[in-house]
Amino acid sequence: AQSVTQLGSHVSVSEGALVLLRCNYSSSVPPYLFWYVQYPNQGLQLLLKYTSAATLVKGINGFEAEFKKSETSFHLTKPSAHMSDAAEYFCAVSVNTGNQFYFGTGTSLTVIP
Amino acid sequence: DGGITQSPKYLFRKEGQNVTLSCEQNLNHDAMYWYRQDPGQGLRLIYYSQIVNDFQKGDIAEGYSVSREKKESFPLTVTSAQKNPTAFYLCASSTLDSPWFYGYTFGSGTRLTVV
Repeated sequence: AQSVTQLGSHVSVSEGALVLLRCNYSSSVPPYLFWYVQYPNQGLQLLLKYTSAATLVKGINGFEAEFKKSETSFHLTKPSAHMSDAAEYFCAVSVNTGNQFYFGTGTSLTVIP
Repeated sequence: DGGITQSPKYLFRKEGQNVTLSCEQNLNHDAMYWYRQDPGQGLRLIYYSQIVNDFQKGDIAEGYSVSREKKESFPLTVTSAQKNPTAFYLCASSTLDSPWFYGYTFGSGTRLTVV
């Protein structure tokens, strides 16, 4: 079975500071990993995905994530936070033996001016 | 532009009423999904469908029903048997060809409130 754990349901950073949102996964087979962003009262938008190519994945809005198999992690980072980054972020895992995704419980990012 | 349309955006239900949430996609995706979102609980799968006239229960199907009469449409009915229906409902779709690669496309959600 697959699952993801997002450490920290709420993260606050100052504008211009590093953003680090943590995601650890559990999977018995090679995983495919995704980060989605959700703005208030909106659906989820794909930020980036890892599909077994490069371990460092770049996404939209300056975000990137690194797949680390030894740590079973897929943390999301951004060097400099903008006010517009304030949103909820979800990590998700899938595998190529089915079409279901398993989502983490989300991390709410607050950016302090 | 292709996408998923959910309607209405806000919905109010009285106790004991059934309500239906609409989800329409023009992405030509075979698979469609309904998720419920509650604060701090992430997304929980209610129902999903991979083909017309067929659907499967997810993790929290009790009190909900769905139909899939057309490829483009996957409406969700919240019945009076659902004891705590106040939540944000998200519809999603995907291809059946390597969905683990392409991911899901989400609608903008419906916020249901019991009054």
